[in-house]
Amino acid sequence: KAGVTQTPRYLIKTRGQQVTLSCSPISGHRSVSWYQQTPGQGLQFLFEYFSETQRNKGNFPGRFSGRQFSNSRSEMNVSTLELGDSALYLCASSLVSQGANTEAFFGQGTRLTVV
Amino acid sequence: GENVEQHPSTLSVQEGDSAVIKCTYSDSASNYFPWYKQELGKGPQLIIDIRSNVGEKKDQRIAVTLNKTAKHFSLHITETQPEDSAVYFCAARKGGFKTIFGAGTRLFVKA
Repeated sequence: KAGVTQTPRYLIKTRGQQVTLSCSPISGHRSVSWYQQTPGQGLQFLFEYFSETQRNKGNFPGRFSGRQFSNSRSEMNVSTLELGDSALYLCASSLVSQGANTEAFFGQGTRLTVV
Repeated sequence: GENVEQHPSTLSVQEGDSAVIKCTYSDSASNYFPWYKQELGKGPQLIIDIRSNVGEKKDQRIAVTLNKTAKHFSLHITETQPEDSAVYFCAARKGGFKTIFGAGTRLFVKA
């Protein structure tokens, strides 16, 4: 069974640009959550999607957005990139919404560098 | 707001010794506590979890204990091996809400 797949693995962008990251969950999983990981802030929750609907949202500015498609694949978008957006972006999939407290499995992440 | 504190931030042990990582959570309604191991260049990997209706859970060399009254939970690794070297994260969640992660513990196992 394939794991969580994130693409691309690495990205370099310039300040002011926008970026779209993709996450394909484990087959059959309908919940996808996104996290930002930085050395100083650890793992910070961005948002969770379940059945194409955003169910939970973290404390990030509106420049960070996401969506989920009918096949459960998810994308997150960051507009007007800032240097501080440089981080490892992780997605995690689970069988149902986080409300049911099922295990979440992470992908390998996308390393975004903003220059 | 919700918070999970994790200690220590760095832990160095000799191969074969035990390692203990402790976490404290703030939201008493939290009812699910997973632990993740993250190796360099990889995403976090779930290694064990515990739900609030259980006080202890064991899986081979790793075990987790939960004290709901004190809002503490701990990860115990026995007979540590060099391949246990990684960053470990605890987390807490209550149904329907976001998962809150601890800041992580970097474990070094010296051969």
